[in-house]
Amino acid sequence: EDQVTQSPEALRLQEGESSSLNCSYTVSGLRGLFWYRQDPGKGPEFLFTLYSAGEEKEKERLKATLTKKESFLHITAPKPEDSATYLCAVQANTGFQKLVFGTGTRLLVSP
Amino acid sequence: NAGVTQTPKFQVLKTGQSMTLQCAQDMNHEYMSWYRQDPGMGLRLIHYSVGAGITDQGEVPNGYNVSRSTTEDFPLRLLSAAPSQTSVYFCASSYSLRAGNSPLHFGNGTRLTVT
Repeated sequence: EDQVTQSPEALRLQEGESSSLNCSYTVSGLRGLFWYRQDPGKGPEFLFTLYSAGEEKEKERLKATLTKKESFLHITAPKPEDSATYLCAVQANTGFQKLVFGTGTRLLVSP
Repeated sequence: NAGVTQTPKFQVLKTGQSMTLQCAQDMNHEYMSWYRQDPGMGLRLIHYSVGAGITDQGEVPNGYNVSRSTTEDFPLRLLSAAPSQTSVYFCASSYSLRAGNSPLHFGNGTRLTVT
């Protein structure tokens, strides 16, 4: 069974304090790994797709990396507006019509 | 550019009542899906559709029906609401999940409470 585990559940940072969020996964052949950002009362907003181990993608203060067992979302010098819940999801080669989501990491960045 | 539009935003039902959650997208996406989000459980797939006239079950389909008569619309029907269906429901669409390079676009959700 495909599974996604995210850690930590919650993370509090000071503005400018860099850190990483973890997404561990087990999947029967990875088609894609997705990162989303979700603000309170809103739907998830797409950030990145990663397809193969060693791949990296960047957007502003965020960088996502992928290995064969996990993905990291690195946040460099975060700002208060980066506060949100970050969700990770995997898409398998079999049953590719379904994404399996983790429970997310709630990030709070204080000024 | 509206994207994925869900209505209503909030709904309160009594046990046993039925209702339909509406979802519309204006991106000509062939794939549409419904997820529910519960605390500590992440998003779980209820039903999905790969095109007009084609639907299939996801992880938690019991108690829900869907149909896809047009490309744009994908309503979710609760047949007889139960307290266990209290949740936030999200509709999501994609050009095609087959390609692997077309992410899901989500609506802003319907918060449903069943008393």
